[in-house]
This record gives sequence, C-alpha cells and structure tokens, in this order.
Amino acid sequence: AQSVTQLGSHVSVSEGALVLLRCNYSSSVPPYLFWYVQYPNQGLQLLLKYTSAATLVKGINGFEAEFKKSETSFHLTKPSAHMSDAAEYFCAVIRGGSQGNLIFGKGTKLSVKP
Amino acid sequence: DVKVTQSSRYLVKRTGEKVFLECVQDMDHENMFWYRQDPGLGLRLIYFSYDVKMKEKGDIPEGYSVSREKKERFSLILESASTNQTSMYLCASRVHGDGNSPLHFGNGTRLTVT
Repeated sequence: AQSVTQLGSHVSVSEGALVLLRCNYSSSVPPYLFWYVQYPNQGLQLLLKYTSAATLVKGINGFEAEFKKSETSFHLTKPSAHMSDAAEYFCAVIRGGSQGNLIFGKGTKLSVKP
Repeated sequence: DVKVTQSSRYLVKRTGEKVFLECVQDMDHENMFWYRQDPGLGLRLIYFSYDVKMKEKGDIPEGYSVSREKKERFSLILESASTNQTSMYLCASRVHGDGNSPLHFGNGTRLTVT
C-alpha cells in the first residue's frame, strides 16, 4: 500500500537560510509524488510533482524536490527562505488502484524568522 | 484560473443538526473531492465523485453523505452533526484522468459543532 511520512511537524528557519522539508514514501509501484502548500486561511495549491520524467523537479516560488529511489525520499528544498514561505507543506502520493486519489502526509508547518 | 468556491468560510452548528457544505467549481472538472483536515492528521478523504451522480467512499465516510446532481456542484452532508465532526473541510476538483493532473482546492469551511 502507498503511504508518505513527513519527518517533523514543525520546522523553523531564519530568513535567507536553506529550507529542507523531508518526505519519505512507500509504494509497491513507481510512485507519482506531489508537494502541496497551504498558506494561512487558504486551501492547498500544487508546488510541484514527480511523474518519473526527471528526478529533480522544479516547482513554483523557487522550490525543488529530488526523487531518490534508493532512499525512498522526495525531500523539498529551497536555497534561501523568504518570510512569505511560512505555510504548511504537504507531501502526497497517488494511491494505487484508485484512479489517482492522493494520500497526504500529516504536514510540516514552516516558520521563517526574520 | 480554476476557481473552487466553498459557500461558507465559518459555520457553527448544534449537535444533531443536519449540515450542508456546498462546493462549486467553474472549470467543468469531472472529479470532485471532500477532505477533512485536522491538526496532526493531515488531510483525510471523506468522499469523492468521478462524475455527475457518481460517488465513492473515501477513508472516513462514516457520518457523512454526498450529493452530485450537477457537474459543477458537490455537496457534503452531515446527517446528524456531532462534536467530533468539528473540523476544517476542504473541497477539491480535478480534470478526469490518471491522477497526474493537480487538485484545485477551495479555501475551506471551518465547521464547529457545539
């Protein structure tokens, strides 16, 4: 069965510092993986997705993620944090046999200190 | 731009009341979803619909039902609200496909049951 685990429910970084949000997946088939972001008082929006075309995926707002099969990971990074990056981030994987329904991780709340 | 509109941002209802949460999308998407979001639990799928008059149970359908009489509208119904249904409810839509296409979310309805 497919699943994702996000390590760390809260991450705090200083403005300008590297952002690293961790996601590990479990899947019996080559996975489709996603990162979504939720800004305060809003719904989720897609940051980026991995669909096996390339292992390094670039998304919006300077974020990127690297698919590492050997580590079953899909960590999200951004070289330099901005105050506007403060939000909750969700990793998700497509559920097998479900015509594409997503299984979401529990989320990581990112705080950015000035 | 896809717009997914949830009719209420905040709702307060009493235990035992019948509650309707409405969601409308304007992009002719076939697939629509209702999720529940709770701190530390991430997003959990309640019900989804692949097309008009079609519905399927998600991971936590107990205590909920849905209606999809028109393509653009997907309603979540709490037949007899209980305090454990106090939560943030998120509606999403997506074009029909293999799951690779992104979900588009509404801004959520925060329901409090007293």
